[in-house]
Amino acid sequence: GEKVEQHQSTLSVREGDSAVINCTYTDTASSYFPWYKQEAGKSLHFVIDIRSNVDRKQSQRLTVLLDKKAKRFSLHITATQPEDSAIYFCAASPSNTGYQNFYFGKGTSLTVIP
Amino acid sequence: ETAVFQTPNYHVTQVGNEVSFNCKQTLGHDTMYWYKQDSKKLLKIMFSYNNKQLIVNETVPRRFSPQSSDKAHLNLRIKSVEPEDSAVYLCASRTGTGGAETLYFGSGTRLTVL
Repeated sequence: GEKVEQHQSTLSVREGDSAVINCTYTDTASSYFPWYKQEAGKSLHFVIDIRSNVDRKQSQRLTVLLDKKAKRFSLHITATQPEDSAIYFCAASPSNTGYQNFYFGKGTSLTVIP
Repeated sequence: ETAVFQTPNYHVTQVGNEVSFNCKQTLGHDTMYWYKQDSKKLLKIMFSYNNKQLIVNETVPRRFSPQSSDKAHLNLRIKSVEPEDSAVYLCASRTGTGGAETLYFGSGTRLTVL
């Protein structure tokens, strides 16, 4: 089955700097890649996603890049703010399961230092 | 805005007891899930339920069982809890149209087994 690796367990940046979180996946059938944010004591909520028919998607300060050849995708946060501090989870969902299955990375704890 | 509702928020119980957690979604989604998030924040899928079809992660112990009365509800029963069941249990839902659509998570139920 699919295996999603999220290589950084923690990441610290200064307020206003950019943060990049990287993930890799193994299953070539994966074609949907959402990102979720989990703030302290709270549940996961969706922040941005990318489908395999594009290699870049931007939403305000968030950009997701997808490199299908390398089976790698990344979340870029520009002009970071203290409220961006949270655990970020990447996920991959294979099309051959009807997108039923979601495989999550282990999470990256982002700290934005004021 | 919350659309996946979980109760209770917290539950403390003793080894061997039976517990039941409730989940309801008001999004009209066709597929619901239960995930377990451990103390290291690792997310593990336990069950998915779509159109009366239950898909079980084969690593889930048999003391766990999902219960559904309709597509808006998916409850989780644990027959005889053990200390390793202490975790946060997250319910999620997504539309089951077969397309790539994201998961929506509830706020979670934190279980502590003494």
